[in-house]
Amino acid sequence: ETGVTQSPTHLIKTRGQQVTLRCSSQSGHNTVSWYQQALGQGPQFIFQYYREEENGRGNFPPRFSGLQFPNYSSELNVNALELDDSALYLCASGLAGAAVNHEQYFGPGTRLTVT
Amino acid sequence: QKEVEQDPGPLSVPEGAIVSLNCTYSNSAFQYFMWYRQYSRKGPELLMYTYSSGNKEDGRFTAQVDKSSKYISLFIRDSQPSDSATYLCAIQRGSSYKLIFGSGTRLLVRP
Repeated sequence: ETGVTQSPTHLIKTRGQQVTLRCSSQSGHNTVSWYQQALGQGPQFIFQYYREEENGRGNFPPRFSGLQFPNYSSELNVNALELDDSALYLCASGLAGAAVNHEQYFGPGTRLTVT
Repeated sequence: QKEVEQDPGPLSVPEGAIVSLNCTYSNSAFQYFMWYRQYSRKGPELLMYTYSSGNKEDGRFTAQVDKSSKYISLFIRDSQPSDSATYLCAIQRGSSYKLIFGSGTRLLVRP
């Protein structure tokens, strides 16, 4: 177990709705990244947060947004859901500092189905 | 051209076999190389993490990086049915935490 938890485990939404996914980072970690994994594909980087600020974004539209809280928990918000947003959403936590640590540890994911 | 290419498999081997999993990447700027294992309906689990060319060993697992060929490999010795999973390679630039994943190779180890 990595110590990274995500909620909910799975959910079903209707096209056009909004969704919020949650992640609790491993204790002591200060970065959180979100990834989208479509069926049969590798995870795709959405964005990363470090010290509560977005620190890099992948090729995802602005309707994908996030937050990182002082306790290093995080949220991923997706507005105006589309059918193609159906995927496994993963968060990964890591520790950044002067000696950069590139090890990232993933949670179990939230499976989102958009109908 | 994708930044990371990985054969999707599936790769089926008998128990005890040596497994070789491979990825190629396109940009020599990538400096960090990881292998993740993902069981069905689970999140990826970090197996190996390497920085330089050469080999890194951890138990039955050996990660190999050849930067001149832009080729990375994971070898599994004495494979077990519990090794059956999807194996994802991931690469990373030095200044970014963004992981770029291959599409994953599905491995089945037959008892």
